[in-house]
Amino acid sequence: GQQVMQIPQYQHVQEGEDFTTYCNSSTTLSNIQWYKQRPGGHPVFLIQLVKSGEVKKQKRLTFQFGEAKKNSSLHITATQTTDVGTYFCAPGAGSYQLTFGKGTKLSVIP
Amino acid sequence: NAGVTQTPKFRILKIGQSMTLQCAQDMNHNYMYWYRQDPGMGLKLIYYSVGAGITDKGEVPNGYNVSRSTTEDFPLRLELAAPSQTSVYFCASGGGGETQYFGPGTRLLVL
Repeated sequence: GQQVMQIPQYQHVQEGEDFTTYCNSSTTLSNIQWYKQRPGGHPVFLIQLVKSGEVKKQKRLTFQFGEAKKNSSLHITATQTTDVGTYFCAPGAGSYQLTFGKGTKLSVIP
Repeated sequence: NAGVTQTPKFRILKIGQSMTLQCAQDMNHNYMYWYRQDPGMGLKLIYYSVGAGITDKGEVPNGYNVSRSTTEDFPLRLELAAPSQTSVYFCASGGGGETQYFGPGTRLLVL
């Protein structure tokens, strides 16, 4: 599988602040998916990005796929306590397997 | 639809014991996966299956076995449990578009 690096590993924010996590690859990706895992829960699919430069929004969440398809980001505007969890990126290699990054653990201080 | 179900939710094993983690999905997905997640870490693929009767090794298959006799079920067998197998085990399924749907997980403690 294709390897990616996620940064930061941890992020603590005050409620209402913005949050961004980055996913970087040394190789071109065919697509990338994002998952969220709540504490004690299981990963839940958020979105898939396929096209170069693609930007998708889900309410306060904005997902971007880089022009070179080597990096991606997830930005959350005005974080809420419900955003707490670990966010994983998972590049697809055109096959049916995903390789998950180590994730960014988000803590939101009320 | 129940989605992906896993049993048991939690289990304590003694070193050397064996057990089977059950996974079932009702979405008629061809692809099924087993992952382990160690505390504070990402997901590592143990085994996967692209259809009934077909299985293959993932990144960390040692100490585990799988079978896929039906589309719905994908059990994971642990033989001779070791403390290093203490982890949370997630089963997932997918329809081939790479999006994966996860079960609630099985927490395993080997003492």
